[in-house]
Amino acid sequence: SAVISQKPSRDICQRGTSLTIQCQVDSQVTMMFWYRQQPGQSLTLIATANQGSEATYESGFVIDKFPISRPNLTFSTLTVSNMSPEDSSIYLCSAMRGGVDEKLFFGSGTQLSVL
Amino acid sequence: GESVGLHLPTLSVQEGDNSIINCAYSNSASDYFIWYKQESGKGPQFIIDIRSNMDKRQGQRVTVLLNKTVKHLSLQIAATQPGDSAVYFCAEILAGGTSYGKLTFGQGTILTVHP
Repeated sequence: SAVISQKPSRDICQRGTSLTIQCQVDSQVTMMFWYRQQPGQSLTLIATANQGSEATYESGFVIDKFPISRPNLTFSTLTVSNMSPEDSSIYLCSAMRGGVDEKLFFGSGTQLSVL
Repeated sequence: GESVGLHLPTLSVQEGDNSIINCAYSNSASDYFIWYKQESGKGPQFIIDIRSNMDKRQGQRVTVLLNKTVKHLSLQIAATQPGDSAVYFCAEILAGGTSYGKLTFGQGTILTVHP
């Protein structure tokens, strides 16, 4: 399995500010994703982080609000921009090595509270 | 749109009992199904997976059953322990193309194991 580290693990932010979340995988992976988990709810895919190119966003998520970088095969960042209280969620990074027996692994998440 | 849903949002069992968590899915093109366990403050942890060409797969104390006829997935936990208390999510993946690796999660079932 891959070990995925996220930083920060939690943060409390003011409305209108931005927060960048970092995701580091302990080995090279083919695919990385960012998910959001709103309080008491299931996980929703935000986007696929593409190495060396623009991320692919799911319906309802846009690059201006959630810019994503992936400079190499082990690292990605998600920025939550111009935050509002509705952005209070857990943000989770996930990764997959690919291949016949691919599995998707998750980091422990970033608990974000926006005041 | 396509979705994955659960029949029971909560399940309470006594320690030592067997637990069954159910999940319905709607996309007949789904190729791969995964069960995740999420403990408080942590990211989802992979439990077991099954491909669409199988109807049963067993792991350590867990069994996943897939009924493609009625689009139903279940997770059976044998001899449930207090440490099994968590939220359990089923998820599906559409293999290939632009959906490769992207998970669609069910709503989650809260499993509580009483000593």
